[in-house]
Amino acid sequence: SQKIEQNSEALNIQEGKTATLTCNYTNYSPAYLQWYRQDPGRGPVFLLLIRENEKEKRKERLKVTFDTTLKQSLFHITASQPADSATYLCALNRDDKIIFGKGTRLHILP
Amino acid sequence: NAGVTQTPKFRVLKTGQSMTLLCAQDMNHEYMYWYRQDPGMGLRLIHYSVGEGTTAKGEVPDGYNVSRLKKQNFLLGLESAAPSQTSVYFCASSRRDRNRYTFGSGTRLTVV
Repeated sequence: SQKIEQNSEALNIQEGKTATLTCNYTNYSPAYLQWYRQDPGRGPVFLLLIRENEKEKRKERLKVTFDTTLKQSLFHITASQPADSATYLCALNRDDKIIFGKGTRLHILP
Repeated sequence: NAGVTQTPKFRVLKTGQSMTLLCAQDMNHEYMYWYRQDPGMGLRLIHYSVGEGTTAKGEVPDGYNVSRLKKQNFLLGLESAAPSQTSVYFCASSRRDRNRYTFGSGTRLTVV
């Protein structure tokens, strides 16, 4: 069956450094992949979408890569700030649905 | 725009009681979804709808029913609540291209 794997352990990064989160998937070839941010007690908020024919996408301090050979997406936050602390979810399309990973908690330490 | 609005935000039910969660969106989105989120399990799709009057089962549909009588509303019903249905429920909507989901703020349900 299809699996989406994100680091289950929290990631602690020093303020100002680049945070890199990983999303791996198996048994499927999605046409695109999405990244969301979720704060405690809130619903996920869409950040970026990257398509299978795109290697990299940027939005302000965010950068996403998509390697269809490795079946992996990397999500980078440059010049990280304490306000970037949240859980980040990756999601990919399957048929007429979107399937979410379990998310990685990111803590930016001041 | 309000986006996606869920009501209620919190609810405590006794085992066997029934209730309906309401989701309303004002973005004219075709598709709507109900997810539940549990610690360590992530978001799991319960039911979804690709248009007014149509619904389909997701990953964990047992114990839930849904209705989409109007395009802007998607209702999630629990006919006989069980403690295993204690969770945070999120509604989401999207256009047909599903490029971007918009989520509500969630309903925290406790079944005792």
